[in-house]
Formats: sequence, C-alpha cells, structure tokens
Amino acid sequence: DVKVTQSSRYLVKRTGEKVFLECVQDMDHENMFWYRQDPGLGLRLIYFSYDVKMKEKGDIPEGYSVSREKKERFSLILESASTNQTSMYLCASRARVRNTEAFFGQGTRLTVV
Amino acid sequence: AQSVTQPDIHITVSEGASLELRCNYSYGATPYLFWYVQSPGQGLQLLLKYFSGDTLVQGIKGFEAEFKRSQSSFNLRKPSVHWSDAAEYFCAVGGTGFQKLVFGTGTRLLVSP
Repeated sequence: DVKVTQSSRYLVKRTGEKVFLECVQDMDHENMFWYRQDPGLGLRLIYFSYDVKMKEKGDIPEGYSVSREKKERFSLILESASTNQTSMYLCASRARVRNTEAFFGQGTRLTVV
Repeated sequence: AQSVTQPDIHITVSEGASLELRCNYSYGATPYLFWYVQSPGQGLQLLLKYFSGDTLVQGIKGFEAEFKRSQSSFNLRKPSVHWSDAAEYFCAVGGTGFQKLVFGTGTRLLVSP
C-alpha cells in the first residue's frame, strides 16, 4: 500500500520560530510537492521537487524554503513563522511516468500564535 | 498556464438524489484530469482519473466523470448520494508525471437527510 507520511498532524508554533514540516514517501517517486490549503482558495503549490536537491518555486513560495537531501524525504521550512502561515499543509508525491496521479499525506494543521 | 475552475463553492443534495459537480479546465495540450475527495481533517483521496481513451471514466465509491474536450469540462457525477459522501471535492489538471498538478478551489458537498 502506497504511503505518504507527514511527521505531524497538528503543530502549534510561536511567531518568529523556525518550523520544519517533514514528509516521507515510500513509493520511490521522483516528484514531491508541498501545497497549502486554505478555505475558499483550494490547494496552492508552495514548492515542488523533481529530483534530489532539485526544487522549483510554486505559486506562493514567499516565506518558505524546502530541502530534499534524499529521494524519499521532502521538508518544508518556515524560516520565521508568521500568523498568516497558519494553514493546512499537504505533501504529495508523484511518479515521473505517464498516466499517474499524485498521492497525498494526511496533512499538517499548523497554527502560528 | 493551466488552471481549474470549480464554480460551485457549496452544494447541498438530499440523500438518495443525484449529484453533479462541475469542473472546467484550461490546458494547452491533452490534459490529465483528476477528481479527489477530502473528508474533514484528512488528506486527499483519488476518486478517478482521465488520461485518454473512453471519455466516461468510472471511479471508486460509485462516482463517474465525463471528459468533454469541446467544453473543457470534466464533471463528476453520482446517481445516488449517500450521507457518507459529504466532503470536499477537488478537480485537478496536469500533464504527464513530469509535471505538477493544479487544483481548483474545491466544492463542499453537504448531504441532507
């Protein structure tokens, strides 16, 4: 059974803290993604990675960075958390072949206070 | 650039009634199209996908969708809704596995007794 695992379901952090959201997939997928989900806005792509150490900005990269040192792991970093980064964060992975969908983790609900 | 429009933010359907959720896409080539469902507090689960061939695709939980190239649409249907179908539904478009998926803003389905 395919799996994308996010390290935390719920996180509460203080303004200004450095926050790490971790995602691990066990499907040997080349592509990994971080989305942010907010009511009425759907899923917006923050960053994606198409290979180890490779990354590309998505639609809303400001205030975020990412790290992909190993194929199975993709980390989202909030360098200095702010209250407007309170949101649901979803990690996904997708194989770099035809006819394939993205697989999602359970999400991390981050609250910045 | 690719985009997805889900014009209905909320839809309420009586249990046992039929359902149609609308999705319109913009994509420069032959699209890969997906419908995902999200239950409260959960990640996204794939309902169905279209890559090529038969324009009517069957998915899990009794859902189906029809790809209409002339209308740039990929509407999701179910003949008889169950209370457990209450969730948020997302349409997404993308290319091959080399590419990211772009999501619509979602439609929240409420099922009344």
